[in-house]
Amino acid sequence: GAGVSQSPSNKVTEKGKDVELRCDPISGHTALYWYRQSLGQGLEFLIYFQGNSAPDKSGLPSDRFSAERTGGSVSTLTIQRTQQEDSAVYLCASSYPGNLNTEAFFGQGTRLTVV
Amino acid sequence: GDSVTQMEGPVTLSEEAFLTINCTYTATGYPSLFWYVQYPGEGLQLLLKATKADDKGSNKGFEATYRKETTSFHLEKGSVQVSDSAVYFCALIGGSSNTGKLIFGQGTTLQVKP
Repeated sequence: GAGVSQSPSNKVTEKGKDVELRCDPISGHTALYWYRQSLGQGLEFLIYFQGNSAPDKSGLPSDRFSAERTGGSVSTLTIQRTQQEDSAVYLCASSYPGNLNTEAFFGQGTRLTVV
Repeated sequence: GDSVTQMEGPVTLSEEAFLTINCTYTATGYPSLFWYVQYPGEGLQLLLKATKADDKGSNKGFEATYRKETTSFHLEKGSVQVSDSAVYFCALIGGSSNTGKLIFGQGTTLQVKP
C-alpha cells in the first residue's frame, strides 16, 4: 500500500480481555517497529523486527505483550489479559534501513482503551 | 545503550519568536539523527535528518546541525508560526548496536500563540 496501515483505529476492550493490533507496513520495508504513546507522554519502544533476524523485544513491558511478523510483512501485537494501564495509542512504523539513513514511516496508530 | 534526551516542555512562544529545542544523544559509532513532528490529531512524520557529523538538515524553515563534538542535534527556527504548534521528537538510528533500531527522545511540546 501507499503507507503504513494499522487496524483497528480504535479499540475499546474490557479489562482482562485479549486484544490483537495489526500493522501492514509499506511493501518492501524490512524493518518494522512498535511503539506505545500514552496520553501526554513520549514514544515508548516496544519491539523491532528486521528482516529474518531475531526481533528486539527489549521494550515489551511484560509477558502479557507479544508480537509476531508473518512472512516478513504484516505484524500483529497481542496484549493478553489487558489492564487499564495498557490504554494508549499503539504506533507501528516501517522502514528500509539499507544504509541506516532512511526515515521510518508511521501509521496513524490504534487507540486502545481498557475499561 | 543508545539514548536521546530532549529538553522538557511545554515550550510556549509568541508568533515570530525564535525557537530552539535542545537534543543530545548518547551513542558510540556514527548514528543518523532525525527530528520527527506530530501535529495535533496526526501521525508522526519526518521533519528533517542528518546522517554524518556537521551535516545540517533543514525543512519548512527548521534547521538542525549534527554536532558530534557535543553529541547534539538542536532544532531551530528563526520565526515560528501558530501552525508550528506540535510535538517534536528527536531520534537516532545506527548507533552502538548498528541494528537499525530507531530510538526516540521523550518529545517536546511546542505551543505558539498569536
